[in-house]
Amino acid sequence: GIQVEQSPPDLILQEGANSTLRCNFSDSVNNLQWFHQNPWGQLINLFYIPSGTKQNGRLSATTVATERYSLLYISSSQTTDSGVYFCAVEGPTGGFKTIFGAGTRLFVKA
Amino acid sequence: DTGVSQDPRHKITKRGQNVTFRCDPISEHNRLYWYRQTLGQGPEFLTYFQNEAQLEKSRLLSDRFSAERPKGSFSTLEIQRTEQGDSAMYLCASSPGSEQFFGPGTRLTVL
Repeated sequence: GIQVEQSPPDLILQEGANSTLRCNFSDSVNNLQWFHQNPWGQLINLFYIPSGTKQNGRLSATTVATERYSLLYISSSQTTDSGVYFCAVEGPTGGFKTIFGAGTRLFVKA
Repeated sequence: DTGVSQDPRHKITKRGQNVTFRCDPISEHNRLYWYRQTLGQGPEFLTYFQNEAQLEKSRLLSDRFSAERPKGSFSTLEIQRTEQGDSAMYLCASSPGSEQFFGPGTRLTVL
């Protein structure tokens, strides 16, 4: 099945700093999503982005499907950005199984 | 649109007991997924329904686990003879086609 690797595993930022989170996947994908999991465990949709670039406020994402990676950019980070960021993919050869990466744990210091 | 709901939010049970969780998807979402998440890990896929048909089931799902989605609306996940290793967050997601939307989860603790 598809392997999903996220980097870095942990990230500590000073408030106001920018960051880039990466998601590599081992095969072609039909679907790719980025989620933020808040301290209460709720997974919040950030982007549905199997290819291309999208922006939403201080967040943007780019997926280069031919090179099998996706990037999540966080600009001007805030303490409320803290949490775990997950990349999740669904591939044409994996049936309907969705595979999550292990996540990037972000802590933004005031 | 009230989002995906799950019930109960927390469940504490003794080893060997059976438990059942419920998921109510966003209305008209024909796809429904169940996941399990343990501390420090990403969610792991358990099973997938398209309408009432269970089309995919992970090998992680032992024969103690069963899921149903009668009439293609709400879904239930039952765990029989619970074990301490079943302690986890159980997440449900629904989708109209591609993008998945998650519920708040049910946290299970097996004593």
